[in-house]
Amino acid sequence: KAGVTQTPRYLIKTRGQQVTLSCSPISGHRSVSWYQQTPGQGLQFLFEYFSETQRNKGNFPGRFSGRQFSNSRSEMNVSTLELGDSALYLCASSLEAGGVTQYFGPGTRLTVL
Amino acid sequence: QQQVKQSPQSLIVQKGGISIINCAYENTAFDYFPWYQQFPGKGPALLIAIRPDVSEKKEGRFTISFNKSAKQFSLHIMDSQPGDSATYFCAASSGNEKLTFGTGTRLTIIP
Repeated sequence: KAGVTQTPRYLIKTRGQQVTLSCSPISGHRSVSWYQQTPGQGLQFLFEYFSETQRNKGNFPGRFSGRQFSNSRSEMNVSTLELGDSALYLCASSLEAGGVTQYFGPGTRLTVL
Repeated sequence: QQQVKQSPQSLIVQKGGISIINCAYENTAFDYFPWYQQFPGKGPALLIAIRPDVSEKKEGRFTISFNKSAKQFSLHIMDSQPGDSATYFCAASSGNEKLTFGTGTRLTIIP
C-alpha cells in the first residue's frame, strides 16, 4: 500500500499570500489530521477531518482552515500568511475517526518570507 | 498548557549503550501512549505504543516502561546503533481524541 502523500513538498511564499496544501491518505483510511511542526513548539495539532467533516480542531487562528473530499483526500489552507507560519506541515491518516494509530506523510515545508 | 512533558531535549549515547527518554503527563484520562521516530526530511513513524493496563512493552531493542501512579512513561533503546539517531516524540491520547505530543528528543548515537 502506498503511504500518505503530501504535495507540494516545499513552498516559498511571502507575507500576506495564501497557500493550499494537499494530503492523500493511505487507501482505505477515512480520517486525516493535520499538524504544524516547528523547532520551538514541536508538533501542534491543527484539525482532524473524518467523512468530510471537521471532527476536532486545535488552537489555531481562523486563517487556518481545511476540508476533506469524498475520496478522503484533504487540503488545508492558510490565508494572509505571517512569518510565524513558516513550519513543516504534516498530514496523518488513520482508519477511523480519532484513530490512535496514525500514519504520517513526509510533510510540506512552508517558508514565509 | 503542555500536557505531555518530554526530557531530555537532546541526548548523546555511545554505540551499544542504552538510550532513555522520559515523558510525564498530567491528564489522567490518557489511555494510549505511543512513541514516534522521525528522521530528517521524513514524517514521524510509529515506533511502539502502550496502554496503561501493562507496565512494560518490548519490541526488539525498544521497550516502553509505564508508571501509572507517577504518570510517567519512558522509552528505552537497548544496544543503541548509529541508525537510531533521530528525533523521538512521545504522545498521549484519551479515547479516540487527538494525540498530544511531547516536544521531542534529538538522539545522537556516536561510534
